[in-house]
Amino acid sequence: QKEVEQNSGPLSVPEGAIASLNCTYSDRGSQSFFWYRQYSGKSPELIMSIYSNGDKEDGRFTAQLNKASQYVSLLIRDSQPSDSATYLCAVFQGGSEKLVFGKGTKLTVNP
Amino acid sequence: DAGITQSPRHKVTETGTPVTLRCHQTENHRYMYWYRQDPGHGLRLIHYSYGVKDTDKGEVSDGYSVSRSKTEDFLLTLESATSSQTSVYFCAISAGTPRRETQYFGPGTRLLVL
Repeated sequence: QKEVEQNSGPLSVPEGAIASLNCTYSDRGSQSFFWYRQYSGKSPELIMSIYSNGDKEDGRFTAQLNKASQYVSLLIRDSQPSDSATYLCAVFQGGSEKLVFGKGTKLTVNP
Repeated sequence: DAGITQSPRHKVTETGTPVTLRCHQTENHRYMYWYRQDPGHGLRLIHYSYGVKDTDKGEVSDGYSVSRSKTEDFLLTLESATSSQTSVYFCAISAGTPRRETQYFGPGTRLLVL
């Protein structure tokens, strides 16, 4: 199975800082990329999707995709304690028609 | 929450006992999925369905079976539960336009096999 790798974390940032979460994937045929947020004891919640190279912004969140480098990232600006969660990168692999998840990066935002 | 419910939400059972988990959706989505989530492994696909009576295996299907007799219900059965099947189980549906499908998750079922 093609893999999705995330920086292992945990990642700790002060309130108001920029949190940077990274993800690499091995399947060059992948076309769709997603970031999910998962609070402890809860289900994953979709926060961003990106399909084309470049940046996509939604409020304090920016997803960045570089297909040549097989790299996707999530930036969270002005981080808040409520952003403390585990962030899952997911890649839809065109060949297998399946969504493959990374193991997640746990983010803690300290007040 | 994409109209997805799972039942039961919590279950404790004994090794060797059959267990069935239910996923119910209200929005007529064609694709449904069962995942398990374990520390150190992330989310792993068990089985999925692409229509009534149409199912296929995922990455970790051994010890699990599924059935989908109605569009709205997708059942996951552990024929004879083992301690290694202690996990959190999530159901998901796929929604969106072609080539832009996104998966949305139910609230999860916590299963403990003693």
